[in-house]
Amino acid sequence: DQQVKQNSPSLSVQEGRISILNCDYTNSMFDYFLWYKKYPAEGPTFLISISSIKDKNEDGRFTVFLNKSAKHLSLHIVPSQPGDSAVYFCAASAIGATNKLIFGTGTLLAVQP
Amino acid sequence: KAGVTQTPRYLIKTRGQQVTLSCSPISGHRSVSWYQQTPGQGLQFLFEYFSETQRNKGNFPGRFSGRQFSNSRSEMNVSTLELGDSALYLCASREGQGATFSGANVLTFGAGSRLTVL
Repeated sequence: DQQVKQNSPSLSVQEGRISILNCDYTNSMFDYFLWYKKYPAEGPTFLISISSIKDKNEDGRFTVFLNKSAKHLSLHIVPSQPGDSAVYFCAASAIGATNKLIFGTGTLLAVQP
Repeated sequence: KAGVTQTPRYLIKTRGQQVTLSCSPISGHRSVSWYQQTPGQGLQFLFEYFSETQRNKGNFPGRFSGRQFSNSRSEMNVSTLELGDSALYLCASREGQGATFSGANVLTFGAGSRLTVL
C-alpha cells in the first residue's frame, strides 16, 4: 500500500528550463511534506518542506506547491542546472499518528546541458 | 559538525548468514531511524530509536532488529539473510523525536550501507 506515490520514475529537462516533479498521497492525515534529493553513493539530503496549512513554500530556485483537495504536491526547480541531476524523493508525515516519514519511490531527474 | 556515519559502506553476505550494521548519529542527536531502500520501493521505514528505546517499528519481519546505545550510536541486525534483503540501508538522525520533521528535527541521513545477499 503505497501511501506516497511518485508516478514518474524519471524526468529529463534542458538546463535553464523548469523541472516539475510530482507527488500524490492517499492518507488524508498527512500534514507535513518534504522533498529530499539523493546523489549516487550519498544519503538523501533535505531540500524543502511544506506544512498543510500552506499551499506554497519557496527557497531560492526551489518551490513546493501543495494542493490538499487533490492530495497532490509538486516541486518546481527554476532554472534547472546540471548539478540538480539526482533522485528526488517526496515524503510525508502525520502529526499525532506516527513518528516516521513515508517516502515515495523517487524520480530521477536528468538536467541536460 | 560531523555527519551521520555508517559502517560498513559495502558488504556481501550469503543466504542464511546474519549481518550487523552500525550508525553514529550527528553529535547531539538523540534519535536514530533506519530505512531500507530498494529499487521500485523507495525508502521503507524500519525503526526509530530515542534514548535507547524503540519508539516505532515498520512492517518488517522479526529478523530485522536494532538497538541504541547510551551514546546514541545505533546498530541494526538482520538474521537469516534472504536474497530479498539486498538493499541500501540508510540511517538518519535528528535532535528530538515525535511527528514533526522540521527545524532541528529534520532527518539527516548517512550515506548508507549497501548489502548484497548472494
